[in-house]
Amino acid sequence: EIVMTQSPATLSVSPGERATLSCRASQSVSSNLAWYQQKPGQAPRLLIYGASTRATGIPARFSGSGSGTEFTLTISSLQSEDFAVYYCQQYNNWPAFGQGTRLEIK
Amino acid sequence: EVQLVESGGGLVQPGGSLRLSCAASGFTVSSNYMSWVRQAPGKGLEWVSVIYSGGSTYYADSVKGRFTISRDNSKNTLYLQMNSLRAEDTAVYYCAREAPVGATTSYFDYWGQGTLVTVSS
Repeated sequence: EIVMTQSPATLSVSPGERATLSCRASQSVSSNLAWYQQKPGQAPRLLIYGASTRATGIPARFSGSGSGTEFTLTISSLQSEDFAVYYCQQYNNWPAFGQGTRLEIK
Repeated sequence: EVQLVESGGGLVQPGGSLRLSCAASGFTVSSNYMSWVRQAPGKGLEWVSVIYSGGSTYYADSVKGRFTISRDNSKNTLYLQMNSLRAEDTAVYYCAREAPVGATTSYFDYWGQGTLVTVSS
């Protein structure tokens, strides 16, 4: 079983600033890593797949990087609509999600 | 346009049963890998089950032997039969399509809005 660990649990950032979220896998998942955004009362929305490919319609301020066991989601200039919970998910084996990072307004 | 609409959630007593439905439009359920993912109140996401286009099914250990995933091709609908329900099964249940990348498992490119299942006496 692959365990995904996200850090930090909560990140406080001001609008317009950069946010960096981390995700670590307990064993290599190659580039089989996706990121999702979830707002209260809504389903998760796919942001990034293949560790670094933006999904259709996702703004360029969202970028993903990493491979193997260490991954990063960067939001270059935070907009008000970006404050949400973010999950990583590996799909190298049975799907497993991280516990989430809550991105809040500072 | 791809749409997934879940239904069937509600309040059920421990040990009871419930069947969730997920009606799809804009694509063919039987040609895709379809999963159920759940989220306990205030918690993270947990994959529950998948049905492959070929009909094979797989389950998380936490629900194996109690839940059954299936589909009705004529209705383009996915189901999750949940038996022997426990308090810890309380969650919002989402159906989700796995992106058709040709691998054993994939990321989820489309999600339904979710249906809440509450297991309580």
